[in-house]
Amino acid sequence: AQSVTQPDIHITVSEGASLELRCNYSYGATPYLFWYVQSPGQGLQLLLKYFSGDTLVQGIKGFEAEFKRSQSSFNLRKPSVHWSDAAEYFCAVAQYSSASKIIFGSGTRLSIRP
Amino acid sequence: KAGVTQTPRYLIKTRGQQVTLSCSPISGHRSVSWYQQTPGQGLQFLFEYFSETQRNKGNFPGRFSGRQFSNSRSEMNVSTLELGDSALYLCASSPDRGAEKLFFGSGTQLSVL
Repeated sequence: AQSVTQPDIHITVSEGASLELRCNYSYGATPYLFWYVQSPGQGLQLLLKYFSGDTLVQGIKGFEAEFKRSQSSFNLRKPSVHWSDAAEYFCAVAQYSSASKIIFGSGTRLSIRP
Repeated sequence: KAGVTQTPRYLIKTRGQQVTLSCSPISGHRSVSWYQQTPGQGLQFLFEYFSETQRNKGNFPGRFSGRQFSNSRSEMNVSTLELGDSALYLCASSPDRGAEKLFFGSGTQLSVL
């Protein structure tokens, strides 16, 4: 069965520091992978996605993620975080053939230390 | 281009009542999916509609239902509300049934008292 694991429930980093959020997935075929961000009480905003091709994916707001098939990982990174990056981050895996097959991880809450 | 619009934004109901939530997809999008988000269970898929037909349904009781109209707008209904139905209900739309161009609305926050 498909699954997504985000091992870190809550991470705190200092403003200006680098960030890496971990994501591991379990999926039989080549997955479609996503990172979404959610501010409190808001919907999900897509940061980036990987379907094929270059395994290093650039997204919005300066985020990037690297697909590593051998490690079944799709970690999210940002070289320098801003206070406005404080939010909940969700990794997700999907089967292209159906948007309803999206499986979300449990999320990582990011706090920024001034 | 307007995004996915969900109404109402907030809703308070009491146990036993029923509720209807509305979702207007991005213009041109034909697929609408619904998700329930709770602190305990996270994000869970409810159902997907495409061309007015339910294509997939998640593991929720029959109290949860939905429909899609010819203009792709969708509604979901929850009957006989329970306290555990308190959640943020998110709607997402896509041009087709793929996940590549899925966009989420801001959600309807439902509180059941």
